[in-house]
Amino acid sequence: GAVVSQHPSWVICKSGTSVKIECRSLDFQATTMFWYRQFPKQSLMLMATSNEGSKATYEQGVEKDKFLINHASLTLSTLTVTSAHPEDSSFYICSARGPGQWGTEAFFGQGTRLTVV
Amino acid sequence: AQTVTQSQPEMSVQEAETVTLSCTYDTSENNYYLFWYKQPPSRQMILVIRQEAYKQQNATENRFSVNFQKAAKSFSLKISDSQLGDTAMYFCAFGGGSGNTGKLIFGQGTTLQVKP
Repeated sequence: GAVVSQHPSWVICKSGTSVKIECRSLDFQATTMFWYRQFPKQSLMLMATSNEGSKATYEQGVEKDKFLINHASLTLSTLTVTSAHPEDSSFYICSARGPGQWGTEAFFGQGTRLTVV
Repeated sequence: AQTVTQSQPEMSVQEAETVTLSCTYDTSENNYYLFWYKQPPSRQMILVIRQEAYKQQNATENRFSVNFQKAAKSFSLKISDSQLGDTAMYFCAFGGGSGNTGKLIFGQGTTLQVKP
């Protein structure tokens, strides 16, 4: 299957600072990438959908000014948590899909555990 | 809007036995896809099995099979000959439909423990 690499795997940052998480598709062109947030033992909640070269579409209730998403190339999307606070601590997962043979398959990164202290 | 419901927060099964995880969903779409994903302690999401709604035949992947009941909007996962490595959280997910953006709607998840 296709490989999606997410970096970093974990990060600790101070309250008020910003942190960037990268999501890369290694062997296919990801025309669409998705960012999810997951609290312990809970489901994945979609935060936003990004298409290469376009502005991200955010789900209701997600602050677009706090969670900045950039999808500047077909292999890279970034999520920047701005002015992070302890309540932003969570597990963030990206997934990607491409056109053609990949159909509706969604391939996931390994996730990033963010801790804001 | 689509919704996915998994009513079993936790389940356990003895090694080598069979277990069935339940999933129901709600949609007005006719063409869509359903998935079961596994999330082990590493938290890496792994696709277990996929079903296209227009196919009547239930999908199977080795020890994993589904019982897809389109009219009842039910999509259960059967794991046969359970192995210790099957211990994980399992998510049912809905995808596709008109205006398909590729996003997945996940159920709440079922934590499965396989006991030796």
